[in-house]
Amino acid sequence: GQNIDQPTEMTATEGAIVQINCTYQTSGFNGLFWYQQHAGEAPTFLSYNVLDGLEEKGRFSSFLSRSKGYSYLLLKELQMKDSASYLCAVRDSNYQLIWGAGTKLIIKP
Amino acid sequence: NAGVTQTPKFRVLKTGQSMTLLCAQDMNHEYMYWYRQDPGMGLRLIHYSVGEGTTAKGEVPDGYNVSRLKKQNFLLGLESAAPSQTSVYFCASNPSTEGGHQPQHFGDGTRLSIL
Repeated sequence: GQNIDQPTEMTATEGAIVQINCTYQTSGFNGLFWYQQHAGEAPTFLSYNVLDGLEEKGRFSSFLSRSKGYSYLLLKELQMKDSASYLCAVRDSNYQLIWGAGTKLIIKP
Repeated sequence: NAGVTQTPKFRVLKTGQSMTLLCAQDMNHEYMYWYRQDPGMGLRLIHYSVGEGTTAKGEVPDGYNVSRLKKQNFLLGLESAAPSQTSVYFCASNPSTEGGHQPQHFGDGTRLSIL
């Protein structure tokens, strides 16, 4: 079967750095997405990786290792507004997105 | 530019009632999706459409039907609501899935409770 694993919850301090991991086992791979979802709101797109390596976008970076079935989202200079759930999703061989359950990130002052 | 609009935003139904959730997008996207999101689980695909007049089943299609009569609209129907269908429903769209990254754009969701 297809599976995406992420930690359920993480806590970090304002101004710090946090890394959210995602491991996947899917039938085929056509890219990995990270989304942010604030409580009660819609998911919004953060980043996309299809080749191995690091993609940087301001305070957010995302890394992919296809051979290891592994990705992480790195958030730097954490702000209170970064408190949200972070969803990892893999596009499989049928070009459908398989979603992880999400990691709830709690930022403390 | 409204993006993806879902109506209604909230609804409470009794078991056995029927209803239709409407999704409208103004981005001329070919692909549209209906997901449900439940606590502790990832988004699960109910049905999707790759173009006007076409629909296909996703991971959890039972108890739901869909229609895509117009490119901009994707309707999700519950013929006989059951308490297990209590969930938050999200509609999403994207231009296409091939040839590069095309993230899905989501509506604000419909919170549905079945009593």
